[in-house]
Amino acid sequence: QVQLQESGPGLVKSSETLSLTCTVSGGSINNYYWAWIRQPPGKGLEWIGFIYYTGSTSYNPSLKSRVTISVDTSENQFSLQLSSVTAPDTAVYYCARQQTGELGYAYDIWGQGTMVTVSS
Amino acid sequence: QSALTQPASVSGSPGQWITISCTGTSSDIGSHNHVSWYHQHPGKAPKLIIYDVSQRPSGVSNRFSGSKSGNTASLTISGLQAEDETNYYCCAYAGSSIWLFGGGTKVTVL
Repeated sequence: QVQLQESGPGLVKSSETLSLTCTVSGGSINNYYWAWIRQPPGKGLEWIGFIYYTGSTSYNPSLKSRVTISVDTSENQFSLQLSSVTAPDTAVYYCARQQTGELGYAYDIWGQGTMVTVSS
Repeated sequence: QSALTQPASVSGSPGQWITISCTGTSSDIGSHNHVSWYHQHPGKAPKLIIYDVSQRPSGVSNRFSGSKSGNTASLTISGLQAEDETNYYCCAYAGSSIWLFGGGTKVTVL
């Protein structure tokens, strides 16, 4: 079955750019939307944005100026870049598959999550 | 857009039923039927339990059910079990390709 795995640095310095990659295994990245969702320690989930396999994107308006999500269909991967990070960006970052259309609309498959800490 | 509003905590005794509310606006929950629910055990990724307001994915217990009225969606857990004690989150489409999550509800089994 389809599995997602996040990878990237667990520590990022304040004001620098956070970069994470999500690798999709057991299935194709094609024909789906793929999302990034984060969760600060002890807090709730926050939708960051998604990308369709064709490259079209949508971002959380509160993060839009700092977020870039990209896709590499040849590698079956999609990536997140969050620029000018500060302490509030410290969180567990999840990648997830968004099912759509006749399958219904929801985040049906999630990665295990990766903790990213912003240090000063 | 603001986060959807959920109660911080809900509790119930084993065997009882509980309901968790998720309140949005006429622009999100009130306008679209793309409401989903997730539970998340500590240290784990969220797991989908309800999608499109009331649909259950294959393999999810029929003790979980969802509904919507106006700008509020609800998750009902019937026959409450100890394993249901964890955090629950709602998610809704807000239009313009934007998605919102609720703040989360901690369910306690007394």
